[in-house]
Amino acid sequence: NAGVMQNPRHLVRRRGQEARLRCSPMKGHSHVYWYRQLPEEGLKFMVYLQKENIIDESGMPKERFSAEFPKEGPSILRIQQVVRGDSAAYFCASSPPSGPPTGEQFFGPGTRLTVL
Amino acid sequence: AQSVAQPEDQVKVAEGNPLTVKCTYSVSGNPYLFWYVQYPNRGLQFLLKYITGDNLVKGSYGFEAEFNKSQTSFHLKKPSALVSDSALYFCAVRDRMNTPLVFGKGTRLSVIA
Repeated sequence: NAGVMQNPRHLVRRRGQEARLRCSPMKGHSHVYWYRQLPEEGLKFMVYLQKENIIDESGMPKERFSAEFPKEGPSILRIQQVVRGDSAAYFCASSPPSGPPTGEQFFGPGTRLTVL
Repeated sequence: AQSVAQPEDQVKVAEGNPLTVKCTYSVSGNPYLFWYVQYPNRGLQFLLKYITGDNLVKGSYGFEAEFNKSQTSFHLKKPSALVSDSALYFCAVRDRMNTPLVFGKGTRLSVIA
């Protein structure tokens, strides 16, 4: 059973470009979470999605950031018009549907975004 | 609102000595508590969790953690540290299943040979 897959692992963009980060959850998992980790800091929640639905986007910046988890295919985190402050590691985590709950989230290896 | 505090940015221990990485939490309901470890340029690996039941939880790689409700703490422990345990450790909490995790800032553990 493959773990959570994220690609690309490293992404370099110039200011003003768009960044697209992809996450394929573990097989059978229908809950996806995106977190951002700034250097020397913990992970901050951004958005929680289930298939075709955004459940909680309270951690997502109101502008330039969007996320989706379509019926088919990976979850996408999209950052438009990137700025240097967007440089961070972006982690995706997945968890199985409710009942019986196991609790933990399974994390992907992350995408390290560098904005020049 | 939920929160997690890891009061130590860095912990250094000698190989073979016991280690403790501290974590305190604040939630409005019953806590679900987790420890994750992060090696350089890698994602987070799950170590252990407390959901309910025994206050002492055993996890991967010989780690354990003790849930203390009165002190709202969930300290990570290992009886004998290894150099390979050197990494960044994160405590996390949530108060319901399938909700986002709230992470502490992390504690960098250095085990010295």
